[in-house]
Amino acid sequence: DVKVTQSSRYLVKRTGEKVFLECVQDMDHENMFWYRQDPGLGLRLIYFSYDVKMKEKGDIPEGYSVSREKKERFSLILESASTNQTSMYLCASSFHLQGGKTDTQYFGPGTRLTVL
Amino acid sequence: KNQVEQSPQSLIILEGKNCTLQCNYTVSPFSNLRWYKQDTGRGPVSLTIMTFSENTKSNGRYTATLDADTKQSSLHITASQLSDSASYICVVKHSGGGADGLTFGKGTHLIIQP
Repeated sequence: DVKVTQSSRYLVKRTGEKVFLECVQDMDHENMFWYRQDPGLGLRLIYFSYDVKMKEKGDIPEGYSVSREKKERFSLILESASTNQTSMYLCASSFHLQGGKTDTQYFGPGTRLTVL
Repeated sequence: KNQVEQSPQSLIILEGKNCTLQCNYTVSPFSNLRWYKQDTGRGPVSLTIMTFSENTKSNGRYTATLDADTKQSSLHITASQLSDSASYICVVKHSGGGADGLTFGKGTHLIIQP
């Protein structure tokens, strides 16, 4: 079974703090993604990575950065957390769409971040 | 602009009843359409993925349909169970896009009452 794990289920931070959210997948997926999910807005893509050390901005990258030093690990960094970054953060991974593989995304359990 | 609209926003039905959730999209050119189930406090889990040539796909009591001409999909749940209570998210991928070429619907929140 594919497993995507996230470092924390719940996190409470103060405004201005630096926050690290980590995601690890064990399926050798090329693609990894970070989304945030807010009521009434659905999932919105923050950043994604299609290979080690590669990253692409999603729809709402402002205030976030990412790091992918190893294929299985994708980190989301909030350089200076703000209250409007209070949200559910979801990590996902998938294969490249090629050679009979589907690019179905597998999601982690989510991290509910509260910024006070 | 690529959009995915889901209806209804929320739905309450009695255990054992059937229900149908709708997804309309304007994504073009189309690659595939996915339905995900998201339990409260959990990440979404894939139910089905359908390409242009597929118009029906089943996964247990879940049956998804796709009409690529009218750009509509539905998810039918048969003999609902309490464990079906969740949000159901429709996601459409456009061809030619990279791994990020996905447009997410806002989901339908389904509640099954005993």
